[in-house]
Amino acid sequence: EAQVTQNPRYLITVTGKKLTVTCSQNMNHEYMSWYRQDPGLGLRQIYYSMNVEVTDKGDVPEGYKVSRKEKRNFPLILESPSPNQTSLYFCASSFQGLWGETQYFGPGTRLLVL
Amino acid sequence: SQQGEEDPQALSIQEGENATMNCSYKTSINNLQWYRQNSGRGLVHLILIRSNEREKHSGRLRVTLDTSKKSSSLLITASRAADTASYFCATDAWYGGSQGNLIFGKGTKLSVKP
Repeated sequence: EAQVTQNPRYLITVTGKKLTVTCSQNMNHEYMSWYRQDPGLGLRQIYYSMNVEVTDKGDVPEGYKVSRKEKRNFPLILESPSPNQTSLYFCASSFQGLWGETQYFGPGTRLLVL
Repeated sequence: SQQGEEDPQALSIQEGENATMNCSYKTSINNLQWYRQNSGRGLVHLILIRSNEREKHSGRLRVTLDTSKKSSSLLITASRAADTASYFCATDAWYGGSQGNLIFGKGTKLSVKP
């Protein structure tokens, strides 16, 4: 089944404790992206990747890192989480990241930073 | 950078009625997509309309696009309780980033009562 998976689905952590949210897709997509969703703000892009070893900042990259060592995986790293990073996070992928392509979303990771 | 703005923010209707949601955007676009999100879950692509199209249908969905007014509407006919979800429009305006980047509105929360 074609899908985007994220782990963990739920995470409670404390300020400053490094964490990684994994994202994996099995559709051989070149383009992958991370969004955060907050009430009243909608979805905002954090980082995206056009292909292996090619990543770039989205609208709200501060406090986040990403890497793209393999085509299927695009982990999101919070080196020193803060309470303002409490949010619902989504990973998404599309074939080549071209105009008009459908993006496929993961199920989301709900993060609470205390 | 917020591009799409949905209207209304929330909509409550009875089963069988039609639901209309609107989206306005700010800059020129190549295409506009509508996504659906069940509570706390990932987004699912519904329909895409290109900038040279004015109307598109998919099952009970009808999307219109007016590029002169920079607006789009999503009509769900004969709504069902299972249509209860949040609906987002997303555009892919080129702003110096990846051409695959989607910019989402804040969404319309639709509630269909049985």
